[in-house]
Amino acid sequence: EAGVAQSPRYKIIEKRQSVAFWCNPISGHATLYWYQQILGQGPKLLIQFQNNGVVDDSQLPKDRFSAERLKGVDSTLKIQPAKLEDSAVYLCASSLGLGANGNTIYFGEGSWLTVV
Amino acid sequence: RKEVEQDPGPFNVPEGATVAFNCTYSNSASQSFFWYRQDCRKEPKLLMSVYSSGNEDGRFTAQLNRASQYISLLIRDSKLSDSATYLCVVNDRARFGAGTRLTVKP
Repeated sequence: EAGVAQSPRYKIIEKRQSVAFWCNPISGHATLYWYQQILGQGPKLLIQFQNNGVVDDSQLPKDRFSAERLKGVDSTLKIQPAKLEDSAVYLCASSLGLGANGNTIYFGEGSWLTVV
Repeated sequence: RKEVEQDPGPFNVPEGATVAFNCTYSNSASQSFFWYRQDCRKEPKLLMSVYSSGNEDGRFTAQLNRASQYISLLIRDSKLSDSATYLCVVNDRARFGAGTRLTVKP
């Protein structure tokens, strides 16, 4: 079974530029997550989708970050304009259903962003 | 207060040692918990679930203490290959702890 797919794997941009990351979850997984992981820290939830609806975006810096999952399958996370502190790994994850039901969260390999 | 708190370590232990990590959570209504393992520059991967009755998988034991709102992970007979960062997650809220770094030395 194919895992969570993410692209690009690596990206280097200058501050104030924009960047977009794409994620395709495990087939049949209704719940999709985007996490930001800064070196030495745990994954920080940015946004959680259930199908094409937002469940939780309380930690998403909405002035510069946006995400969508229009058809309830793949998703895009955008940063515009990027800041130096956005340098991190952006991890996409998916689960069969909501976590409260004990559904395991599966991660992609991540998209590594360096802002210079 | 953070929703999920972990001692970041690092924990440096010799091979064969027993080591335990704790993770506290703030929301008493939380129901679902897991432990993940993350190797350097890799994505987190599921290690084991945490049940109220405790859960054992070989050298690993996970426990939940609802009264004190913490979960624990015990690793017995540590191996060099256990060196990694261990993350707890409150699955209901998809919130991860900061991770505890373990290094097992020869």
